[in-house]
Amino acid sequence: DQQVKQNSPSLSVQEGRISILNCDYTNSMFDYFLWYKKYPAEGPTFLISISSIKDKNEDGRFTVFLNKSAKHLSLHIVPSQPGDSAVYFCAASLTSYDKVIFGPGTSLSVIP
Amino acid sequence: DAGITQSPRHKVTETGTPVTLRCHQTENHRYMYWYRQDPGHGLRLIHYSYGVKDTDKGEVSDGYSVSRSKTEDFLLTLESATSSQTSVYFCAISEVAASTDTQYFGPGTRLTVL
Repeated sequence: DQQVKQNSPSLSVQEGRISILNCDYTNSMFDYFLWYKKYPAEGPTFLISISSIKDKNEDGRFTVFLNKSAKHLSLHIVPSQPGDSAVYFCAASLTSYDKVIFGPGTSLSVIP
Repeated sequence: DAGITQSPRHKVTETGTPVTLRCHQTENHRYMYWYRQDPGHGLRLIHYSYGVKDTDKGEVSDGYSVSRSKTEDFLLTLESATSSQTSVYFCAISEVAASTDTQYFGPGTRLTVL
């Protein structure tokens, strides 16, 4: 049973518009969340993270929102660019452990 | 870019044969991880290491073993490969535990078991 879920396998967005990628988790003990981005034939790269003591973290065009009561987080990309086309993985962890749990990923296509 | 290499990058093998994948880092990071990526499952942790000769199991460790005799090298071995182990394998490193730190991933190894 997946502890980290990304229910949209794919998403298409027009260039310049907002991309919203969603992630749900089942373990209320998770206290740290990360987003990784992956291009074809490459390894994933870290994008942004958020601690459970916050509800928002922003880094340039990327913002992550955390709703602990709903066990939900989302990644907003504004404005979306064609170079953002990639697979995005949501991940969650317990800081007292050594590892993270990844979701299945959402493939984002930004159309010029 | 973090100095992580994986070898081989591609491998085709037959069911029942042993296979070893190598991950090499030049960052002197303490933690190293092996993941597999499969459609619909994302990245699943196979094994990880928190120091030389210190390893632990991940969520999909059956059929895999690992060894870490040096800080820079982390080996993943499939003792007897099966078709279900056809996958893309990623190595990752982190300076401290991945639960609170960025992981840096290698380029991946595509393994096909016929």
